[in-house]
Amino acid sequence: AQSVTQLDSHVSVSEGTPVLLRCNYSSSYSPSLFWYVQHPNKGLQLLLKYTSAATLVKGINGFEAEFKKSETSFHLTKPSAHMSDAAEYFCVVHISSGSARQLTFGSGTQLTVLP
Amino acid sequence: NAGVTQTPKFQVLKTGQSMTLQCAQDMNHEYMSWYRQDPGMGLRLIHYSVGAGITDQGEVPNGYNVSRSTTEDFPLRLLSAAPSQTSVYFCASERRTSSYNEQFFGPGTRLTVL
Repeated sequence: AQSVTQLDSHVSVSEGTPVLLRCNYSSSYSPSLFWYVQHPNKGLQLLLKYTSAATLVKGINGFEAEFKKSETSFHLTKPSAHMSDAAEYFCVVHISSGSARQLTFGSGTQLTVLP
Repeated sequence: NAGVTQTPKFQVLKTGQSMTLQCAQDMNHEYMSWYRQDPGMGLRLIHYSVGAGITDQGEVPNGYNVSRSTTEDFPLRLLSAAPSQTSVYFCASERRTSSYNEQFFGPGTRLTVL
């Protein structure tokens, strides 16, 4: 079985300061890991993905995530938050050899960016 | 490419009514899925399909039916709506490569059951 834990349901940062959204996973197999962003009343948009290549993954809008197998973590970071980053973020684990039913979503982290 | 489209965007039903949520994709993806999103619970898989004519249950299938007669379309039917089905519903199609699978989501249908 696999699971995803997003350690913070809400994160609040000031504009221009760093962002850290934490994600831990468990999986019996080598996982693919994703971060999605959802702006209010919108669908989910892929930010970045880890697929067993480089452990530091760069995504869109200046976001990065580092896969740390020893810590079973895949935390999302951005050096400097922008007001437009305010949204909900989902960490997702997917077994690479699996089907759609093996895609597991975290419960989400709501990011607030203060002026 | 329109990607994944869903209709309607919003819907209000009374308890016991039935309806169909439409989903279509133009990317020729074999895999399609339906999820529901509830506060604090992320997305949960309702049903999925691995190709035309083939469907299977996900994590929360009760009260929903699906069919897949074409690659493009994957409608979700609520047989007898209940207030517990008030949620936001997302349809997704999946691109499969040799190393990973990537989901493409529709904009969602916000359903309220009174």
